[in-house]
Amino acid sequence: RKEVEQDPGPFNVPEGATVAFNCTYSNSASQSFFWYRQDCRKEPKLLMSVYSSGNEDGRFTAQLNRASQYISLLIRDSKLSDSATYLCVVNFKAAGNKLTFGGGTRVLVKP
Amino acid sequence: GAGVSQTPSNKVTEKGKYVELRCDPISGHTALYWYRQSLGQGPEFLIYFQGTGAADDSGLPNDRFFAVRPEGSVSTLKIQRTERGDSAVYLCASSPTGGSSPLHFGNGTRLTVT
Repeated sequence: RKEVEQDPGPFNVPEGATVAFNCTYSNSASQSFFWYRQDCRKEPKLLMSVYSSGNEDGRFTAQLNRASQYISLLIRDSKLSDSATYLCVVNFKAAGNKLTFGGGTRVLVKP
Repeated sequence: GAGVSQTPSNKVTEKGKYVELRCDPISGHTALYWYRQSLGQGPEFLIYFQGTGAADDSGLPNDRFFAVRPEGSVSTLKIQRTERGDSAVYLCASSPTGGSSPLHFGNGTRLTVT
C-alpha cells in the first residue's frame, strides 16, 4: 500500500459547481499535511496547509480526519482556472522531515 | 527575490552516460529536497538535505544516484550509468527549515535518456 494515496480522477466539474476529493495516508503518526497545486508541465505550488481543526482560504476548504487517516479538499464555485492537478503532501513524523506526495487528483473545470 | 533555480532545464543523454543536475535554492533556506516526477504521477522523494548533510536519502533508487550539498547551498544530483528508466523531470525544492514549512520548487530538469 502506498504511503499517500489519491484518486487520480479526472474530476470533470461544471463551472460554478462544488468538487471535493480525499487523500488517505497510511502512517497514523503523520504530523503535517498540505495541498499543492500543479499545472501541466509546471512545478508544484503550495495551495494551503491543512490544520487539525480544518481551515478555509477563499473558495478552498481543507479538512483533516485523523481517526480515518485522510485529508480532504473542497473547491466551491469552481472557476476554469481551477483546472489543475491537486497533490496531497504528508510529513511523517517518524521519517523526520521527509515530505511524501500523493499521485495527484486531476480536476477539469468546464464551461 | 530569486526563486529556486535548476539547470539545465532539459538534458538529453545516451544510455550509460553520467549526468549532473544542479539546484540553486532560495538564499537562507536550510532544507533542500530532490524529487523526480514521471508523467501522470506525483513527485517521488529522492533525498533531503538539512544544511550540508543528507538527513534522509532513503528515496535514492540505487547506488547510481548520489547527491551533494557541500556548502549548504547549491546541490548537485549525480546519476551514473544512466538508464532509460531514469527519464523523468527532476524537481528540486527548498524551504526555510524543512518539516512544516512550505516547499518552493524550481522549474525542474527534464532528463531524457536515449
